[in-house]
Amino acid sequence: EADIYQTPRYLVIGTGKKITLECSQTMGHDKMYWYQQDPGMELHLIHYSYGVNSTEKGDLSSESTVSRIRTEHFPLTLESARPSHTSQYLCASSTIYSPLHFGNGTRLTVT
Amino acid sequence: GQNIDQPTEMTATEGAIVQINCTYQTSGFNGLFWYQQHAGEAPTFLSYNVLDGLEEKGRFSSFLSRSKGYSYLLLKELQMKDSASYLCAVTFVGSARQLTFGSGTQLTVLP
Repeated sequence: EADIYQTPRYLVIGTGKKITLECSQTMGHDKMYWYQQDPGMELHLIHYSYGVNSTEKGDLSSESTVSRIRTEHFPLTLESARPSHTSQYLCASSTIYSPLHFGNGTRLTVT
Repeated sequence: GQNIDQPTEMTATEGAIVQINCTYQTSGFNGLFWYQQHAGEAPTFLSYNVLDGLEEKGRFSSFLSRSKGYSYLLLKELQMKDSASYLCAVTFVGSARQLTFGSGTQLTVLP
């Protein structure tokens, strides 16, 4: 069974604040991803990583940044949150042999 | 683009059979996934098709026709808990397992 954890589950924060969304997986997966999903809409890939020290931007332009210093950890940071960043952020991991396994997501609200 | 099309909504009755269709752009196609997503939760993996034909897994089956750019997810003996969004997602050659998601089909199962 997949073990991928995201914290916090819910976050309400004011405009201009810096935030970091945490994502950790214990499966040793080399590939990790961040998706953004608005209610009732499709998932959009915003960042991905193929391994330590490897990060790439996804299809959807995002003002967030990511880092991959350890295999198991793939945090996403917003330097200055804005109301337009309000969304659900889903972290996922995989290997070449496995489907994506998703975390439970972080629902972010920027006021 | 890599358009993935699926119906927005479907409704069916408990105990019935429902088929959710998905069409996609065939150029560069590698494989197709189906995910289930309950409201407010993360997507969970249902099936993966890479070759033409039907893959059966309990009450759920998924079909793929590579030449037609077409897939369907078949749900039998519908239960109330099957009410969810069903996401069709495609990988393309060279994408290193990055999934492009459709908008999802919201299935409502009525008693």
